[in-house]
Amino acid sequence: DSGVTQTPKHLITATGQRVTLRCSPRSGDLSVYWYQQSLDQGLQFLIQYYNGEERAKGNILERFSAQQFPDLHSELNLSSLELGDSALYFCASSPRSMGSAEQYFGPGTRLTVT
Amino acid sequence: AQKVTQAQTEISVVEKEDVTLDCVYETRDTTYYLFWYKQPPSGELVFLIRRNSFDEQNEISGRYSWNFQKSTSSFNFTITASQVVDSAVYFCALSEDLYNQGGKLIFGQGTELSVKP
Repeated sequence: DSGVTQTPKHLITATGQRVTLRCSPRSGDLSVYWYQQSLDQGLQFLIQYYNGEERAKGNILERFSAQQFPDLHSELNLSSLELGDSALYFCASSPRSMGSAEQYFGPGTRLTVT
Repeated sequence: AQKVTQAQTEISVVEKEDVTLDCVYETRDTTYYLFWYKQPPSGELVFLIRRNSFDEQNEISGRYSWNFQKSTSSFNFTITASQVVDSAVYFCALSEDLYNQGGKLIFGQGTELSVKP
């Protein structure tokens, strides 16, 4: 158990809908990262928050947004969903904002768009 | 640009064989960090090891060992006396130490290891 929690574990929704994925980091970690894992793109970094502020952005679509709240949990919002958004979404946390710290991953949310 | 290449897509071995998973990386940064993660069939990503670019000392942890060579930009992972429980997808990842990059991990495509009894 990494100490990172993600809900829900599975999500099935229809095209055009909007969903919210939730992540709680390990106790004491200030950074939260979101990654997408799909068969064609592999594991890709989406976005990082550090202590409530956006820190780095990767290949995140404009239809996707995220935020980190004062209690450090984070939410990833996916809107106008398309079939291609079906993937495993991971949240990870680390104590620092830069690359020197290992990231611990949550169990993931499997999103299926039908 | 940063890139991680795991050329071996799938490897199949018989239990007790030794197996090496290859990882080659590209970066222009002088300070960087390399990682290995394991993704068992249950799907979670499990952290295995982190190395920084200034420490080329090889590391051993039980049946696992890692060989970091800056001269060839490689960070290979060896499992000695493999076991069925080692069956998983293994990912190599790179993180740079640039302020505007945050701590994002750049992953290779992964190597699926199958250990047969």
